Amino acid sequence: AQKVTQAQTEISVVEKEDVTLDCVYETRDTTYYLFWYKQPPSGELVFLIRRNSFDEQNEISGRYSWNFQKSTSSFNFTITASQVVDSAVYFCALSEVIYNQGGKLIFGQGTELSVKP
Amino acid sequence: GAVVSQHPSWVICKSGTSVKIECRSLDFQATTMFWYRQFPKQSLMLMATSNEGSKATYEQGVEKDKFLINHASLTLSTLTVTSAHPEDSSFYICSARDILVTSGSLNTGELFFGEGSRLTVL
Repeated sequence: AQKVTQAQTEISVVEKEDVTLDCVYETRDTTYYLFWYKQPPSGELVFLIRRNSFDEQNEISGRYSWNFQKSTSSFNFTITASQVVDSAVYFCALSEVIYNQGGKLIFGQGTELSVKP
Repeated sequence: GAVVSQHPSWVICKSGTSVKIECRSLDFQATTMFWYRQFPKQSLMLMATSNEGSKATYEQGVEKDKFLINHASLTLSTLTVTSAHPEDSSFYICSARDILVTSGSLNTGELFFGEGSRLTVL
């Protein structure tokens, strides 16, 4: 069975601190996708990144970076120099192999990040 | 970029009534859409997979007679909460994938989420 675990339920940091959100996943598939989404208080899901299981390169996008470690089944997300606007709930998600138009997501429990000024 | 629109964004209804939520892909076609439910302070849980022209596939524990899904066209899926009760109050989110972006048999198209619909049953 597929499973995504975000052990950190809530994290509180002060602005400009770096923060890492952990994500550990379980799957029997050899091909899969991993995602991170941001959910601000308004509720809509904001797409941050998608990574396929064959690409273990770390990625950096501005203040955001992702560390994909297949050996430990982890896909951690780091925000550098956090800002108040980063306050939101962040979800890590796993998708089965996507054939044709399929691809349902299994979401982690979410990590609520609070960045204080 | 592609947009998935949900309507209504907010709905308040009396217990026992039925509520219909629409999920539209605005500038792409999607043979498959997904419906999720999110209770306050909780994660998104997949309810069902909506397939254009055929019956939806429901996840274990989701009552198909209560949550009616219709995917009548390549751009529209609807979720009807029948005889709604306060425990059905939740945030309902749909997602859809663009069918035109494919790489062989592996669909590499982006997955887009709607803005969500918040249902409150009094």
